Order: sequence, then structure tokens, then C-alpha cells
Amino acid sequence: GAGVSQSPSNKVTEKGKDVELRCDPISGHTALYWYRQSLGQGLEFLIYFQGNSAPDKSGLPSDRFSAERTGGSVSTLTIQRTQQEDSAVYLCASTLQRGASGRNEAFFGQGTRLTVV
Amino acid sequence: QKEVEQNSGPLSVPEGAIASLNCTYSDRGSQSFFWYRQYSGKSPELIMFIYSNGDKEDGRFTAQLNKASQYVSLLIRDSQPSDSATYLCAADPGTYKYIFGTGTRLKVLA
Repeated sequence: GAGVSQSPSNKVTEKGKDVELRCDPISGHTALYWYRQSLGQGLEFLIYFQGNSAPDKSGLPSDRFSAERTGGSVSTLTIQRTQQEDSAVYLCASTLQRGASGRNEAFFGQGTRLTVV
Repeated sequence: QKEVEQNSGPLSVPEGAIASLNCTYSDRGSQSFFWYRQYSGKSPELIMFIYSNGDKEDGRFTAQLNKASQYVSLLIRDSQPSDSATYLCAADPGTYKYIFGTGTRLKVLA
């Protein structure tokens, strides 16, 4: 597609329920990131996928969070047993790796605003 | 812990003035640096990137990089109210795992 697409754009869920957030990166982009942004805060790194390499999961805040990337394209972030502190905007970004000094800019999706009530 | 530090602001400047936004980073191995602009309720969008020491100009924007001092700055000339946003600095330490600062909120007063 023309840009990074995320769905749903908004999600309200009850505490304790599981949610799935979807990210469809720019076609051909090999790297995909998930970030979380709480109200008025910066970007918190969650997980990074690069090609067929093992993902970097070092930013996942707890074992309730998991993510998959199927076929090197679409990614799903799953949050199990949601808590109120999970409420935030979840942003996905993808990049085309051009090398160490290249313009490896991250293109962001519009995000999913998750509200846990 | 690799970090990118920014003053959260808000930084208030009058319309037409130069806005100066600063960022420091801890990882000397960082190779590329990015400035993203984020309007309230919107996603970040790239406005500048730099990977060589010195200045890089693009329209009203100038990015400055000093690797010896480990700082990156963004200058916005002739600031406009439409420039009011949060500006995020990001560093790529060569692993493609970007490290973002928490952002500086800029307010341009008409």
C-alpha cells in the first residue's frame, strides 16, 4: 500500500479481555516496529522485526504482550488480559533498510488508540 | 542504557523568530539521526535526517550534528504558528532499532 496501515483506529475494551492490533507495513519494507505512546509521553519501543531474523522483543513490558509478523509483511500485536495501564496509542512503523548511512527513515501508521475500561 | 534526551518544553517563540530544539544522545555508535514532527493526536512524520557532522538545510529547517559532543539540533527559521507541535529526536545506533527522545513541545505565538 501507499503507507503503513493500522487497524482498528480505535479500540475500547474491558479490563481482562484480549485485544489484537494489526499493522500492514509499506510493501517491500523489511523492518517493522511497534511503539507505545501514552498521553503526553514519548515513544516507548516494544518490538522490532527485521526480515527473517528473530525479533527483538526487549521492549515488551510483560508476558501479556506478544507480536507476530507473518510472511514478512503484516504484523499483529496481541495484548492478553488487558489492564487499564495498557491504555495508550500503539504505533507501528516500517523502514526500508538502505544501509548504515542511508536514509533509514521510519514511516508511521496512524496508530491504534486503545482504551481499557 | 542507550538514551536520547530532549527538553520537554514547552518552548515558546514568537512568530517569525528562530526556534532552536536540542537533543543529546548517549551511544557514540549512533550513526543516523532523525527529527520527527508530531501534531497533537497525529503520528510522527519525518522532517529531517542527518548523518554527517555539520549542518544540513532544507527550506526553513536546519539540522546540526556534532558527534564529538553527541548532540543534534534542529533550527526552524521564520517560525509559523503551524510549526507548533512536538518534535521528536531519534538516533539509529546502527542496529536499525531507533531510540526516540520524549520530544520537545514547541509553541509558536502569533
